[in-house]
Amino acid sequence: GQNIDQPTEMTATEGAIVQINCTYQTSGFNGLFWYQQHAGEAPTFLSYNVLDGLEEKGRFSSFLSRSKGYSYLLLKELQMKDSASYLCAVRDSNYQLIWGAGTKLIIKP
Amino acid sequence: SQTIHQWPATLVQPVGSPLSLECTVEGTSNPNLYWYRQAAGRGLQLLFYSVGIGQISSEVPQNLSASRPQDRQFILSSKKLLLSDSGFYLCAWSRPALESGELFFGEGSRLTVL
Repeated sequence: GQNIDQPTEMTATEGAIVQINCTYQTSGFNGLFWYQQHAGEAPTFLSYNVLDGLEEKGRFSSFLSRSKGYSYLLLKELQMKDSASYLCAVRDSNYQLIWGAGTKLIIKP
Repeated sequence: SQTIHQWPATLVQPVGSPLSLECTVEGTSNPNLYWYRQAAGRGLQLLFYSVGIGQISSEVPQNLSASRPQDRQFILSSKKLLLSDSGFYLCAWSRPALESGELFFGEGSRLTVL
């Protein structure tokens, strides 16, 4: 079966750096997405990786290793507004998105 | 710019009652449209997707149905709700292409079935 694994919850301190990992086992691979979802709201797009390596976008970076079935989202200079759930999703060989359950990130002052 | 709206935002319905959630997209043509359900602690579950008017693909067997009467309108319905239908429903769109990019989500509709 297809599976996306990411930690259920993480805690970090304001101003620090946090890395959220995602491992996947899917039938084929056509890209990996990271979304941010604040409580009670809809997910919003953060990043997209289809080739190995690091994609940087401001305070957020996303890394992909296709051979390892692994990605991480790196958040720098954490702010209180970064408290949210972070969803990892992989597009399989049928171009369907397989979603992880999300990682709830708690930022403490 | 493109926008997506879905409504109602919140609803409480008794078991056995009907359901209708509506979603509209503005600022784009022939979008791919999706209905997802999100249960607490679980990943997004794709319920239906559509690549054009009248074209609906169902991903899971259930008592829900979807319709696309117009290019930018997507409706999720049920004739008789079950307790297990409670959840957070999300409509989304993506650009029309096999290698389409990210999904853009509506605000979400929280359904509680009592």
